[in-house]
Amino acid sequence: DQQVKQNSPSLSVQEGRISILNCDYTNSMFDYFLWYKKYPAEGPTFLISISSIKDKNEDGRFTVFLNKSAKHLSLHIVPSQPGDSAVYFCAASKGGGSQGNLIFGKGTKLSVKP
Amino acid sequence: EAGVAQSPRYKIIEKRQSVAFWCNPISGHATLYWYQQILGQGPKLLIQFQNNGVVDDSQLPKDRFSAERLKGVDSTLKIQPAKLEDSAVYLCASSAGQFYGYTFGSGTRLTVV
Repeated sequence: DQQVKQNSPSLSVQEGRISILNCDYTNSMFDYFLWYKKYPAEGPTFLISISSIKDKNEDGRFTVFLNKSAKHLSLHIVPSQPGDSAVYFCAASKGGGSQGNLIFGKGTKLSVKP
Repeated sequence: EAGVAQSPRYKIIEKRQSVAFWCNPISGHATLYWYQQILGQGPKLLIQFQNNGVVDDSQLPKDRFSAERLKGVDSTLKIQPAKLEDSAVYLCASSAGQFYGYTFGSGTRLTVV
């Protein structure tokens, strides 16, 4: 039973354009959501997070949107750069913060072409 | 600030052998996690420590996996005996607090043959 789903295994985008990575969840108890970025042979790196009391959080080129009614969140990268090419994981937790058991999706591999 | 250190980076063992992984978290981080990432999957929590106490080990296969956190700092994860399905990357992470994202180490890639 997968509680966090990333239905697109891969995404290819041209440099300078917008990348949109999607994530759906099934557990309505989740109240904190995070995105991680992972390069090969490295551990995941925290990118951006959002609490369920918000619907948008922005950090530079990265914006996360949360639609609680649809149990859906998305990560927007604008403009996309070749260095953004990596696997992106969506994660969710209960309890109001990032501490505790994070439930991860399977990841989406983003390729940004020059 | 130094990151989360893990060793070894790679390990190949035969099934039924034992193996141990080591993790040194970021200094001052009270919470330490071990995650298992099987190829093509997202990381899955095995065990969470708060200082040297276990907070959550509900997904740890306790018949073969064990973990300890020495004096609330370093941690070791052991598998004995290993099975083929244990082949995965084992990630250690630490956290400064409730609203901080984890910092992961580079992981140990285990191959069981």
